[in-house]
Amino acid sequence: GENVEQHPSTLSVQEGDSAVIKCTYSDSASNYFPWYKQELGKGPQLIIDIRSNVGEKKDQRIAVTLNKTAKHFSLHITETQPEDSAVYFCAARPLLRSGNKLVFGAGTILRVKS
Amino acid sequence: EAGVTQFPSHSVIEKGQTVTLRCDPISGHDNLYWYRRVMGKEIKFLLHFVKESKQDESGMPNNRFLAERTGGTYSTLKVQPAELEDSGVYFCASSPRVGFAEAFFGQGTRLTVV
Repeated sequence: GENVEQHPSTLSVQEGDSAVIKCTYSDSASNYFPWYKQELGKGPQLIIDIRSNVGEKKDQRIAVTLNKTAKHFSLHITETQPEDSAVYFCAARPLLRSGNKLVFGAGTILRVKS
Repeated sequence: EAGVTQFPSHSVIEKGQTVTLRCDPISGHDNLYWYRRVMGKEIKFLLHFVKESKQDESGMPNNRFLAERTGGTYSTLKVQPAELEDSGVYFCASSPRVGFAEAFFGQGTRLTVV
């Protein structure tokens, strides 16, 4: 089955700096890679996702890159702000397989210091 | 439109007692998932309903856990009897149909077994 590794477990950056979180996956059949942000007291919320037919996707200050050959994908946050502080989870899933369950990484606690 | 809602938000019970968690998915969503995050580790899949049918229950830890989705609307997850290792945050998620990429998460139920 799929296994997702996420690094680092914690990340502290100064406001305005960039933050990068990296994930690797094991199942080559996975073709959908979402990133979720979980703020205190709330559930995980999708912030960006990428499918395996695309190498990079960007949405304002957030971007995700995917390397299918190496089986890793990364989240990039530029010009970080205090409200970016949260726990970030990467996940992987084979879209067309029945069940569609997500396999998550262990999460990264991001702290943006002002 | 209301999001995925979960009840209760917190529950503290003694070892050996029974607890029932409830999830109301987004109206019209056929797919309902239960996940669990234990002690800061990864969010792990428990099971998946398509309407009222269990599509995949491969993540259920043992027979102390029972999930139901009568009528294909809300779902309950019962733990009986609860053990200390059942403590964690239980998330419910829903999506409109199989193959739809995004899953929408509830805020979670924090279960503490003492």
